[in-house]
Amino acid sequence: SAVISQKPSRDICQRGTSLTIQCQVDSQVTMMFWYRQQPGQSLTLIATANQGSEATYESGFVIDKFPISRPNLTFSTLTVSNMSPEDSSIYLCSVGQLNTEAFFGQGTRLTVV
Amino acid sequence: AQSVTQLDSQVPVFEEAPVELRCNYSSSVSVYLFWYVQYPNQGLQLLLKYLSGSTLVKGINGFEAEFNKSQTSFHLRKPSVHISDTAEYFCAVSRSNAGGTSYGKLTFGQGTILTVHP
Repeated sequence: SAVISQKPSRDICQRGTSLTIQCQVDSQVTMMFWYRQQPGQSLTLIATANQGSEATYESGFVIDKFPISRPNLTFSTLTVSNMSPEDSSIYLCSVGQLNTEAFFGQGTRLTVV
Repeated sequence: AQSVTQLDSQVPVFEEAPVELRCNYSSSVSVYLFWYVQYPNQGLQLLLKYLSGSTLVKGINGFEAEFNKSQTSFHLRKPSVHISDTAEYFCAVSRSNAGGTSYGKLTFGQGTILTVHP
């Protein structure tokens, strides 16, 4: 298993600003992912955070809006840029290993006003 | 590409009654299947998983699920629910490649809100 710490746990931000969310894992992991959960909705994959290279984004998500870093095998950040109220969501970090389940952080609850 | 359909958005049930939460998936490749639970204002916790082997899998908190390949289903069941089971439940699939490996990238269903009434 893996223990995942996400910071901040929640934030209220002004529109037009940016927020960086941090994800720290207690062990080296192969894969790290970022998901978004909009109010009352399911989880949607934003991107795969690749160690030492650019993230791989899913359809509908772009690097300019959601820049991601992964400098090593235990840490990643997701930035939500130029925020609008539509970005109000829970953002979750997830880690995956070979042929087993994915583990999730507690999430960052973002409200944009 | 995979997709997951949870057939019920909300399931109300009385305490100690049995419950079944339905999940169907579609995929052109073999998949691994999961059920996660999300309690209010919390992250996701794994209930159970099907990777291979026996099609009946048992998880935490008395839940179990059966993988049915012919019907592409992975329904979640519990014979007797408690008030504390009130939560949102997500069915998810993880794509495995031609070699049968998977690294945890998940596609989720829309979720089923289980509400247990006293």
